[in-house]
Amino acid sequence: GAVVSQHPSRVICKSGTSVKIECRSLDFQATTMFWYRQFPKQSLMLMATSNEGSKATYEQGVEKDKFLINHASLTLSTLTVTSAHPEDSSFYICSARGAGSGNTIYFGEGSWLTVV
Amino acid sequence: GDSVTQMEGPVTLSEEAFLTINCTYTATGYPSLFWYVQYPGEGLQLLLKATKADDKGSNKGFEATYRKETTSFHLEKGSVQVSDSAVYFCALSGNAGGTSYGKLTFGQGTILTVHP
Repeated sequence: GAVVSQHPSRVICKSGTSVKIECRSLDFQATTMFWYRQFPKQSLMLMATSNEGSKATYEQGVEKDKFLINHASLTLSTLTVTSAHPEDSSFYICSARGAGSGNTIYFGEGSWLTVV
Repeated sequence: GDSVTQMEGPVTLSEEAFLTINCTYTATGYPSLFWYVQYPGEGLQLLLKATKADDKGSNKGFEATYRKETTSFHLEKGSVQVSDSAVYFCALSGNAGGTSYGKLTFGQGTILTVHP
């Protein structure tokens, strides 16, 4: 079946640096991807909706200049955490829907970001 | 706005016990409803879904029925196993086929621990 892959699964970066997380749909065209954030022992909060070829739509309270989202192709969306700080440490997870996914929403495996 | 409320956990059961995790929602229109499961250190896996009233989603012995009259989507399993220990999330999305489909609102999650 359809699969969504995220990379890297774990990343440690220094404060002030930027880190990019990729979300790929492996066997369907993801017209829309979603990025969520999950703090330890909490639920998932939607950060933004990413549509192929257009600007992402951010949820209220999410800094668009800090969390850059690019959806340049039908199989790839990227989330770049810029000038990372320790409070950005979290579990980031993407999901995708699109043609060929049968109305199913598929989640990636998630990416653990630790900022030191 | 849309919201999902799950029963508070954690829930601790013995193997072969009956499981119910309550979930109620508030939404406009006719949302699609989901249960996702998250095993320790992993991403989300779709457990089951229902896209219209009175639909029953089922998978791996779990089932949930979309009850519009009570705005509920309770998760049940007749006989749990140790391997079912995980965090369970109830979620809703806009109507399948609509533009907001896939943009999920999650409940707070319920931790289930099953002992041998």
